[in-house]
Amino acid sequence: ETGVTQTPRHLVMGMTNKKSLKCEQHLGHNAMYWYKQSAKKPLELMFVYNFKEQTENNSVPSRFSPECPNSSHLFLHLHTLQPEDSALYLCASSQDGRRTEAFFGQGTRLTVV
Amino acid sequence: AQSVTQLGSHVSVSEGALVLLRCNYSSSVPPYLFWYVQYPNQGLQLLLKYTSAATLVKGINGFEAEFKKSETSFHLTKPSAHMSDAAEYFCAVMNNAGNMLTFGGGTRLMVKP
Repeated sequence: ETGVTQTPRHLVMGMTNKKSLKCEQHLGHNAMYWYKQSAKKPLELMFVYNFKEQTENNSVPSRFSPECPNSSHLFLHLHTLQPEDSALYLCASSQDGRRTEAFFGQGTRLTVV
Repeated sequence: AQSVTQLGSHVSVSEGALVLLRCNYSSSVPPYLFWYVQYPNQGLQLLLKYTSAATLVKGINGFEAEFKKSETSFHLTKPSAHMSDAAEYFCAVMNNAGNMLTFGGGTRLMVKP
C-alpha cells in the first residue's frame, strides 16, 4: 500500500483513441505530479499541481491534457498519441510542494499501437 | 538549474559484497537530495533523503548515503548486498521552490549469487 493508486496498470491504445489515466492519493498531500519514464531515458517531469492549480508544464505536447479536480485526484487525458509516447506514466504526490519527498504510484504502462 | 549524474547505468556485485552507487549533483542552492529504488513493474520507493541535517543518512533495507559538499556527491552504499537488492536506483535533487524533483538516469543493480 503506497498511498498513491494509479489505474489502469496497463493500457493499450490506438493512435486515434482517447483514454484517461487516473491517480488518487490517500496521504492528505496537496501537490501532485505526472512523470514519464521511457526506456533508456531519465524520468521526465510532465506536470505539477499545487492545491489543484497547475504550477508546472514541462513543455508537454497538447495531446496530453492533465486535470486536477481536487487535491486527491489527478487525471491525464490522452488523445491522438504517437507510438513514441509508449512509456510508464508515474503519478506522485507530496506535502505542499515544499522540498519534501514525493510518494509514487505503481504507474500505468502505456502502449500506443 | 539543477542536475543529477549517476555514474554507471549498470552495476553488478556478488551477494555479500559492498554496494556503491554513485551520484553527483549540481545545485545553486543547498540541495535536498533523495535516493529512490524501483523494482520491476513498480513505482519508485523512497530509500533515504538528505535535508541539510546530518551528512550521513541512513535509510531502509540497510542502505545509507553520505552528503559531501566538497565533492558535490551523495553516493549510496550498503555493506553487504542481498539478492533482493536487485533493482533500479535513482538519485534525485529537489529544486528550491520545492515543486520539481530532477532525477538522474538511474543505475540498475544486479546481484550475483
